[in-house]
Amino acid sequence: DSGVTQTPKHLITATGQRVTLRCSPRSGDLSVYWYQQSLDQGLQFLIQYYNGEERAKGNILERFSAQQFPDLHSELNLSSLELGDSALYFCASSLAGGTETQYFGPGTRLLVL
Amino acid sequence: SQQGEEDPQALSIQEGENATMNCSYKTSINNLQWYRQNSGRGLVHLILIRSNEREKHSGRLRVTLDTSKKSSSLLITASRAADTASYFCAPYYSGGGADGLTFGKGTHLIIQP
Repeated sequence: DSGVTQTPKHLITATGQRVTLRCSPRSGDLSVYWYQQSLDQGLQFLIQYYNGEERAKGNILERFSAQQFPDLHSELNLSSLELGDSALYFCASSLAGGTETQYFGPGTRLLVL
Repeated sequence: SQQGEEDPQALSIQEGENATMNCSYKTSINNLQWYRQNSGRGLVHLILIRSNEREKHSGRLRVTLDTSKKSSSLLITASRAADTASYFCAPYYSGGGADGLTFGKGTHLIIQP
């Protein structure tokens, strides 16, 4: 158990809908990262937050957004969902960023029908 | 972005044998991390090796790093069925502007009983 929790575990929705994925980092970790894993794209970094502020963006679509709250939990919002957004979404956390180990949550499996 | 490429793509060995997988990357790094992913589950951090280290051990795992060749290897000794998983390397470079890790397609390791 990494100490990172994600909810929900599974999500099935329809195209055009909007969903919110939630992540609670390990106790004491300030950085939260979001990743997307799909069969065709592999595991891709989406976005990083550090202590409530956006720190870096990766391959995140404009339809996706995220935020980190004062209690350090984070939410990833996916809107106008398309079939191709079906994937595993992982959250990871680290103490600060960069040189530390990232601890991954169990993921949320999203299926868009 | 700094991405590692794992080789081979797939490896099947008998239980008890050693498994070696390799990672190559393109630019200078601060550290390189190896992760394991069991099917459909979150990534588990295995080991982090810093750029000034050449070899590191953790239980049955041995990681080497050759910065002159921009390559790393992960050796799993006395393999067990539970080692069946995908293995990813993640080279980290602090000057890249983002702390998110970039993963390759991984090495899929199958341990035959």
